[in-house]
Amino acid sequence: QKEVEQNSGPLSVPEGAIASLNCTYSDRVSQSFFWYRQYSGKSPELIMSIYSNGDKEDGRFTAQLNKASQYVSLLIRDSQPSDSATYLCAAGYGGSQGNLIFGKGTKLSVKP
Amino acid sequence: NAGVTQTPKFRILKIGQSMTLQCTQDMNHNYMYWYRQDPGMGLKLIYYSVGAGITDKGEVPNGYNVSRSTTEDFPLRLELAAPSQTSVYFCASNADTEAFFGQGTRLTVV
Repeated sequence: QKEVEQNSGPLSVPEGAIASLNCTYSDRVSQSFFWYRQYSGKSPELIMSIYSNGDKEDGRFTAQLNKASQYVSLLIRDSQPSDSATYLCAAGYGGSQGNLIFGKGTKLSVKP
Repeated sequence: NAGVTQTPKFRILKIGQSMTLQCTQDMNHNYMYWYRQDPGMGLKLIYYSVGAGITDKGEVPNGYNVSRSTTEDFPLRLELAAPSQTSVYFCASNADTEAFFGQGTRLTVV
């Protein structure tokens, strides 16, 4: 059974701090990994994708992938109250990004 | 741009009733998907399609059916609604990279 595990949180950080979100996946077949942000009552939106070991940076966001440890993380620098949301980690299988296995999500709260 | 459009946004069904959740996309994406999200949980794949005329089961297909007669449309059918199907349903589509999600349909079965 393919699984993606996340700490459900909530994770609370002060404004301006670094938020660190973690995810592990069970199946080594996975080759693509994604972080989606989901505001309450809204649909998920993609914020980062990563396919190779190492770090990938995009603005205040850094995704990290370690395939040997089957571990994916997302760092959010200079956290803002607008970053408060649930962050879903997903692992991709098959030939399309849409064949995704999602984790339960980590709820992040950034306090002003 | 419309992107992925789902209708209806909300629906209450009685046990045993049937309904179709509509999904259409205007981005000419080959791949389309239906997910359900239960409270406090992640997304679970119900069915997906890699192109018109081709559909396949996902993780939780029981109680649902789909069809894909055109590239644009991917309706999800519930034949005999059960309380266990109370959930939020998301349709999504993609080409090679980013998946775009519809706004969701909140379904309650009573």
